[in-house]
Amino acid sequence: QQQVKQSPQSLIVQKGGISIINCAYENTAFDYFPWYQQFPGKGPALLIAIRPDVSEKKEGRFTISFNKSAKQFSLHIMDSQPGDSATYFCAASPMNRDDKIIFGKGTRLHILP
Amino acid sequence: DSGVTQTPKHLITATGQRVTLRCSPRSGDLSVYWYQQSLDQGLQFLIHYYNGEERAKGNILERFSAQQFPDLHSELNLSSLELGDSALYFCASSVFRAPLHFGNGTRLTVT
Repeated sequence: QQQVKQSPQSLIVQKGGISIINCAYENTAFDYFPWYQQFPGKGPALLIAIRPDVSEKKEGRFTISFNKSAKQFSLHIMDSQPGDSATYFCAASPMNRDDKIIFGKGTRLHILP
Repeated sequence: DSGVTQTPKHLITATGQRVTLRCSPRSGDLSVYWYQQSLDQGLQFLIHYYNGEERAKGNILERFSAQQFPDLHSELNLSSLELGDSALYFCASSVFRAPLHFGNGTRLTVT
């Protein structure tokens, strides 16, 4: 119940294309769903986050879509650029608890120039 | 720059040894989290401290321990090291809950 399942493990997209990464969870107590971006040699950095009271959140070229009934959320990167090449992690945090933030296993995204 | 400082950046040691990893959280952050990152396991939650008190434990081995000091910096102690402990160890901090702000990690190599 504490797992966050992320797919695909790796993704190759042409420059200008749409990159889509999916995550699924089981614990209905999760109420905060962030995405982190990690470049080689660096720690993960918060990219965008959503709470379950909205179905979509957009920040620039990055959009989170959230489906509460299916317990799924996804990251869409529009007009993907070579600089977006990184590892992306989805995560989930339980309601009213600060102890555990559970991460997916990550997706290595490579944008072809 | 996240404001979270981890030292050392790299650590090479032998099996059976003991090492200490250090983390200084962002100014004002009371929570410190430790994560282990390996290629096949992603980010594994180890332990969380809030204002000096342990709040939660994840998949942390008994050979590992941590503490958060009154000045809020934290140390992760790894003992009786095994080859399989080789990984990136990240510290993250937050005011209370997410979002987390990660340091750039300590790469531990056990030979």
